[in-house]
Amino acid sequence: EAQVTQNPRYLITVTGKKLTVTCSQNMNHEYMSWYRQDPGLGLRQIYYSMNVEVTDKGDVPEGYKVSRKEKRNFPLILESPSPNQTSLYFCASSLFWTGPRGELFFGEGSRLTVL
Amino acid sequence: DQQVKQNSPSLSVQEGRISILNCDYTNSMFDYFLWYKKYPAEGPTFLISISSIKDKNEDGRFTVFLNKSAKHLSLHIVPSQPGDSAVYFCAPYSGAGSYQLTFGKGTKLSVIP
Repeated sequence: EAQVTQNPRYLITVTGKKLTVTCSQNMNHEYMSWYRQDPGLGLRQIYYSMNVEVTDKGDVPEGYKVSRKEKRNFPLILESPSPNQTSLYFCASSLFWTGPRGELFFGEGSRLTVL
Repeated sequence: DQQVKQNSPSLSVQEGRISILNCDYTNSMFDYFLWYKKYPAEGPTFLISISSIKDKNEDGRFTVFLNKSAKHLSLHIVPSQPGDSAVYFCAPYSGAGSYQLTFGKGTKLSVIP
């Protein structure tokens, strides 16, 4: 089954404790991206990757790191989480940079709470 | 600066009637316009799109209209069904070298049986 898998789905952590949210896709997609969803703010892009070893900042990259060492994986790293990073996170992928058909596939989300 | 505005946070419609969801944008470089639907506890899923060379695109019960001069698009759902109850995001982008998809804040549609 074609899918984007995120882990963990739910996590409660404390300020400053490094964490990684993993994202894996099994569709051989080149493009991958991370978004966060917050009440009243919609979906905002954190980082994206056009291909292996190619990453770039989205609209809200502060406090996050990413890496793309393999095509299928795109982990999101919070080196020193803070309460303002409490959010619902979505990983997404697309065969190429999304064209007119807009085929961006999303994972089910990871709800992160930073105390 | 908000490039994409969905000014109605929520909308309630009777089953069988038409639902109209609106989206305004400011960036004249946008030339593709996408709509995504999101159910609770799930990731967004692609619904329908339109290119700037068109003013209408239809897919079953869903039709998107684009008014480029007004920088406005709308999603029509006819007839509305209870299963359409979800949050709808407008997501325009520019095909000219930008690799970001900018989402609106979303409109929560509730279809009442």
